[in-house]
This record gives sequence, structure tokens and C-alpha cells, in this order.
Amino acid sequence: EVQLVESGGGLVQPGRSLRLSCAASGFTFDDYAMHWVRQAPGKGLEWVSGISWNSGSIAYADSVKGRFTISRDSAKNSLSLQMNSLRAEDTALYYCVKDRNYDTLTYGMDVWGQGTTVTVSS
Amino acid sequence: QSALTQPASVSGSPGQSITISCTGTSSDVGSYELVSWYQQHPGKAPKLMIHEGTRRPSGVSDRFSGSKSGNTASLTISGLQAEDEARYYCSSYAGRGTLVFGGGTNLTVL
Repeated sequence: EVQLVESGGGLVQPGRSLRLSCAASGFTFDDYAMHWVRQAPGKGLEWVSGISWNSGSIAYADSVKGRFTISRDSAKNSLSLQMNSLRAEDTALYYCVKDRNYDTLTYGMDVWGQGTTVTVSS
Repeated sequence: QSALTQPASVSGSPGQSITISCTGTSSDVGSYELVSWYQQHPGKAPKLMIHEGTRRPSGVSDRFSGSKSGNTASLTISGLQAEDEARYYCSSYAGRGTLVFGGGTNLTVL
């Protein structure tokens, strides 16, 4: 079964850091680009970051550029998102998502995890 | 990275057809055949319904179809069913590895 399982969410104070992880299984992780997409409470979807199959292409939304870092570990079939200098507006459910393509030139995101919740509040 | 524009809500009766529009710019929707559509039921993760503008993933009903004209993409659902009631999002590749979503459209089946 193709599966993505996120972890690492929680309550964090503004300005602090948090690291999200995503464990992938059921598909050849190295063959596909991966993304993080978030959804603030009661709001729409927002693309956060994407990484190509070999980490050669990485992109970020302007809202997180310079604060978030995406990475992947092929040995562990895992995706990570290091989030620094967190702000209240980063509060959201963060989804780990598989692309249909190997590159960040996305052909559509066909597998979604159930998400991990990040709450930034003092 | 401005969000794509979708109507806030659309509605239709069972059996009817509805169309949801998704308007972008010449930098995203208008430049690439890389629009996707996602269905999200309350409390659930989104589901890919259309990719690359017009293509349906395996398992998605052929009642769902996508199209594009200029800077506007559209999702058409024919033969509306109660289970189609959900929130729908479009997305488009926007160059340099980035992606942009629409604000979402609530579909109500009357």
C-alpha cells in the first residue's frame, strides 16, 4: 500500500524551530519529486516547498523562503521540513505529498499523507 | 506567487453538470499544460482528480473532465452525485519549480 506518514508537529512558540518528517512506503521513493503543502484552519491549500527526485531541484513559496528547508533521505525513504523562525501565520496542517513526476515541474500530486498539525503560539 | 482565482461556491442538482473555473496569469495557467484539480471532503486529505489539465488518474470517474482556454482552466463534473459535494482546488505549475493553488470552491449538490 502506498503510504505517507507525517510526524513532528506540535505547539511551538513564535521564533522557535520545528522539524517535520514524512515516512514513505509502498512506492520507489527515489523516482518521484515530493512536496509539503499546508492548510491553515478553515482555509485553503498552500504549496510550501518541493524537491526533485535527486534533490537537484528545490523550490519554496515566498512566504517561507529563507526560513524553511526541505530535504530527503533516500536511505530512509523519508522527507523532512526544517522550519525556523516560526510565525503565527505558519499555523496549519502540513501535508507530505508525492508528485507524479520525478522533477519539481509537477505533473500532479497523487498521494497525500494525513498531515501533521503545527501550532505557533505563545 | 499570487493565488489562482476560483469562485467561492457553485451548486447543482443531481444529474446536472457544473463547471468550476480557475483563472491565473500568463506566468502560470497560461504558460503550462500543468493544471491539476483536487477534491477535498471535510476532514480528509485532498484527492487528485485531474492532472496535466485534462488527464484523469486511474480510478477517477469519467464524469470529471478538465479543459483550458488561455489563462483560465476549468473542471466540469457531469451527472452530479451527492458524493461529489466537496471543496475543489485547482493548482498550476508557476515556473522555477513553484506551484500555486486556487482559493478553493465549495460544491453543493442540491
